[in-house]
Amino acid sequence: KAGVTQTPRYLIKTRGQQVTLSCSPISGHRSVSWYQQTPGQGLQFLFEYFSETQRNKGNFPGRFSGRQFSNSRSEMNVSTLELGDSALYLCASSLESDNSPLHFGNGTRLTVT
Amino acid sequence: LAKTTQPISMDSYEGQEVNITCSHNNIATNDYITWYQQFPSQGPRFIIQGYKTKVTNEVASLFIPADRKSSTLSLPRVSLSDTAVYYCLAVAGNNRKLIWGLGTSLAVNP
Repeated sequence: KAGVTQTPRYLIKTRGQQVTLSCSPISGHRSVSWYQQTPGQGLQFLFEYFSETQRNKGNFPGRFSGRQFSNSRSEMNVSTLELGDSALYLCASSLESDNSPLHFGNGTRLTVT
Repeated sequence: LAKTTQPISMDSYEGQEVNITCSHNNIATNDYITWYQQFPSQGPRFIIQGYKTKVTNEVASLFIPADRKSSTLSLPRVSLSDTAVYYCLAVAGNNRKLIWGLGTSLAVNP
């Protein structure tokens, strides 16, 4: 069974630009969540989608948005990039939202210059 | 406010048993506590989860006391390849949000 796939693997953008990251979950998984990981801050929850609906949202500004498609694939978008948005963005999928183990992709490393 | 706290770093030697403890308060009473392992440039990988008492699988054991205010991940006979960051994860009791620890960086020395 293929794991969670995130594209692209690396991305370099400049301040003010926007970026779209993609995540393909494990087949059959309907929950997809996104995390931002920076040194010293650990994993910061962005949002979770289940069956195309956003079920939970973290404490990030509105510049961060996401969506989920009918095939469970998900995208997240960051508009008006800031230097502080440089981070590893991780996507995780699971069978259900509660208590099912999360399966992570290897992330997209975003660098904002 | 629900919170998980774990040591920032630990050192060990090959062949030793390593125990990493995570403290968690105000967590949900009916949800699992889960541990993940992360290597550089990879996403976290599920290790083990439990609700209470002791759970064991092929790679680790998890001890959770009855009050569920802490959990201890036990790695038997660690090897160099166990050098990684280990995260504990719990569910907040009031809003059911996932609460991640900041991770414990384990260094296994030869």
